Amino acid sequence: DTAVSQTPKYLVTQMGNDKSIKCEQNLGHDTMYWYKQDSKKFLKIMFSYNNKELIINETVPNRFSPKSPDKAHLNLHINSLELGDSAVYFCASREGLAKNIQYFGAGTRLSVL
Amino acid sequence: AQSVSQHNHHVILSEAASLELGCNYSYGGTVNLFWYVQYPGQHLQLLLKYFSGDPLVKGIKGFEAEFIKSKFSFNLRKPSVQWSDTAEYFCAAGGYQKVTFGTGTKLQVIP
Repeated sequence: DTAVSQTPKYLVTQMGNDKSIKCEQNLGHDTMYWYKQDSKKFLKIMFSYNNKELIINETVPNRFSPKSPDKAHLNLHINSLELGDSAVYFCASREGLAKNIQYFGAGTRLSVL
Repeated sequence: AQSVSQHNHHVILSEAASLELGCNYSYGGTVNLFWYVQYPGQHLQLLLKYFSGDPLVKGIKGFEAEFIKSKFSFNLRKPSVQWSDTAEYFCAAGGYQKVTFGTGTKLQVIP
């Protein structure tokens, strides 16, 4: 069983469209994250949720809206997609309250044309 | 503000060569330190971690890292690399909730 699973793995879409990426973890962790990895492999945190509550919200455009229906799921919805949104988006969940060991999903490669 | 610097962007080694990847961090307070590895086309996986105690940390696949507090460094080492170590390596530092990643070092091992 995959610990942190993301769907879809690839997403190709036109500018201006709205798209969602789903993430689920079966590790029983309370905290989940979304990261964006750009073409230079730089990994930047976007959001973090702890037990369905938003705890980290980095400087991210309002077009990005995370939603956590329960602590095992953290979805990312993106409105009005732009060329600069093209990247690999990684979901992660965190083990432990103090240790901050993160387990990553396989990533979603988003290409905006 | 916390930051993580990885000085080597691209390292090319022959098999059996020794590896050392540099990592320096800037962080206020007690810091947790990590090295993650991303094999081609795969997700990030934890290689090793430092929370406290012995500053020399051993991880999976023969990797180790040394925390030197006075230098704010956490360099990754391996005495003899293999072709299968070809990957991107990320140093990360953080505290309770947030971890900051370095820009990564691409390691290419030539058979």
